[in-house]
Amino acid sequence: NAGVTQTPKFQVLKTGQSMTLQCAQDMNHEYMSWYRQDPGMGLRLIHYSVGAGITDQGEVPNGYNVSRSTTEDFPLRLLSAAPSQTSVYFCASSPGSSYSYNEQFFGPGTRLTVL
Amino acid sequence: SQQGEEDPQALSIQEGENATMNCSYKTSINNLQWYRQNSGRGLVHLILIRSNEREKHSGRLRVTLDTSKKSSSLLITASRAADTASYFCALCYDKIIFGKGTRLHILP
Repeated sequence: NAGVTQTPKFQVLKTGQSMTLQCAQDMNHEYMSWYRQDPGMGLRLIHYSVGAGITDQGEVPNGYNVSRSTTEDFPLRLLSAAPSQTSVYFCASSPGSSYSYNEQFFGPGTRLTVL
Repeated sequence: SQQGEEDPQALSIQEGENATMNCSYKTSINNLQWYRQNSGRGLVHLILIRSNEREKHSGRLRVTLDTSKKSSSLLITASRAADTASYFCALCYDKIIFGKGTRLHILP
């Protein structure tokens, strides 16, 4: 199993550009989520999904969109990149639909810089 | 608002010593999880302890949970160089909230 994979590993954008961060998992997990990690901060939840076709907002959703058309994939879209979105982005998945009760498996991260 | 507060923020110890880090929180939780993050990598799950449990062990790791004091501790015994990493607690109730982490450095 590849686990949770994320692409790209690194990305540089100009302010106003849009892009999609890809996330895929091959463990048939229902729950998937996106976090951002800033220096000196813990992870903050952006969006999450408890199954295909179901998404919801986390703690810091503004400026980001998600969709979940399949169990495997959970892309994160930046609509109009801003310097405040410079961060490291992690995707995670978890078995079952209740993230509160299960361990999460994390991808390796995408380091995004917005100029 | 609910947030895990890890203590200390940073810790340096000699290889072979024990390392203890703590996590405090404000409101009731369903369970608490500990994760490790090596530099530049994703987080790796270590232990999940439920609110009705007081202690759990996994190899050299020991986690305690005191719901009356709203605190948890992670003990790593006989530390190794490979334990150098950041350690995060995650509070789980109707959402999951991560703390800011403890940076652990094992000195040779």
